[in-house]
Amino acid sequence: SQELEQSPQSLIVQEGKNLTINCTSSKTLYGLYWYKQKYGEGLIFLMMLQKGGEEKSHEKITAKLDEKKQQSSLHITASQPSHAGIYLCGADRYSGGSNYKLTFGKGTLLTVNP
Amino acid sequence: DGGITQSPKYLFRKEGQNVTLSCEQNLNHDAMYWYRQDPGQGLRLIYYSQIVNDFQKGDIAEGYSVSREKKESFPLTVTSAQKNPTAFYLCASKVGGALNTEAFFGQGTRLTVV
Repeated sequence: SQELEQSPQSLIVQEGKNLTINCTSSKTLYGLYWYKQKYGEGLIFLMMLQKGGEEKSHEKITAKLDEKKQQSSLHITASQPSHAGIYLCGADRYSGGSNYKLTFGKGTLLTVNP
Repeated sequence: DGGITQSPKYLFRKEGQNVTLSCEQNLNHDAMYWYRQDPGQGLRLIYYSQIVNDFQKGDIAEGYSVSREKKESFPLTVTSAQKNPTAFYLCASKVGGALNTEAFFGQGTRLTVV
């Protein structure tokens, strides 16, 4: 089963509209990462949230982590074509001994129509 | 400039042949990761390594092998046992043993097996 569930799977918005992407974990998170990917390229780091209730913003993108540290949302205000791409949430998962693995959700494909 | 490099960007192989994907980083990171990305599947973890000469299987390790003889390098071999090798492969690195640290990604290798 997917450890991180993202919704929606895809999203089409008109330029200028606001939108929200959600990421839910069945287990309490140590922290939560948000990345963006252009098709066929590597991932670009957006932001990381560590504390319950934390909120961070970068330009027109705001991310929040809920108090229980099991759900995060990414909100884009006044979307632009440059926001188009795949948004992925990720988290460190304990995997035994002194090991942690970095896992991701399935991603949300965002299309912004001019 | 520090970074993580994957090569080649595109790779074609005949069915039944093994192929090795390169991943090199000069960020002095201990932890390195290999992911496979298929449409609609997000990033699935193949193998990861927290330190030189040690690595762990991820969620979809069957048909793949890795080595970690040097801190800078984490090559991935796609063997003939991998049933569906055609995919986009991403390598990442981060500060080892540390939670909530940014992972840096390469630009990916698109492998096509014919």
